Amino acid sequence: DAKTTQPPSMDCAEGRAANLPCNHSTISGNEYVYWYRQIHSQGPQYIIHGLKNNETNEMASLIITEDRKSSTLILPHATLRDTAVYYCIVNPSNTGKLIFGQGTTLQVKP
Amino acid sequence: DAGVTQSPTHLIKTRGQHVTLRCSPISGHKSVSWYQQVLGQGPQFIFQYYEKEERGRGNFPDRFSARQFPNYSSELNVNALLLGDSALYLCASSLVGTYSYNEQFFGPGTRLTVL
Repeated sequence: DAKTTQPPSMDCAEGRAANLPCNHSTISGNEYVYWYRQIHSQGPQYIIHGLKNNETNEMASLIITEDRKSSTLILPHATLRDTAVYYCIVNPSNTGKLIFGQGTTLQVKP
Repeated sequence: DAGVTQSPTHLIKTRGQHVTLRCSPISGHKSVSWYQQVLGQGPQFIFQYYEKEERGRGNFPDRFSARQFPNYSSELNVNALLLGDSALYLCASSLVGTYSYNEQFFGPGTRLTVL
């Protein structure tokens, strides 16, 4: 079973920031937080990951709370092409078994 | 550079038949993982292979098997197909280092329909 809880759906206006929350209250010390997204009918796409520090790359920012029990993925300027299912996954770094939950369906609206 | 490629794109089989799905990882990637995605659900982990050895197995029956070849490509085999095996089968590759197992690059998938 997935170790994360995400809202099933969210809406965001085009051009605004999309903030996607994830709860992972049982995360262990050696587990990272990973975010993937899946655009309809395509394979999932890696977005970002982090352990305890906030992370930023060209796609998004990841904010992890100090107690590591929750995190937020931020898409700073959402576009229509960001409409997708977003998955938050916690996993030790040394195993490749990603456990996907139901994810959050993000709908970006014009 | 080419991404992860999978073949075939679509496949239709009947119950009881056998199917082989193929995956070529990104050049230089030595780990391949397989996932099953039933409509409306997130992907479910089936297998992971690294350097031709099985490194992980999900909760799937023995009808599912896989292997990895010396060139790091992989095959997923499913015997005695059931209607419930109808799904999108995803292959993912990763450049395995200490912290790279989970930065996986997914292919477009093979859509299997069992009639």
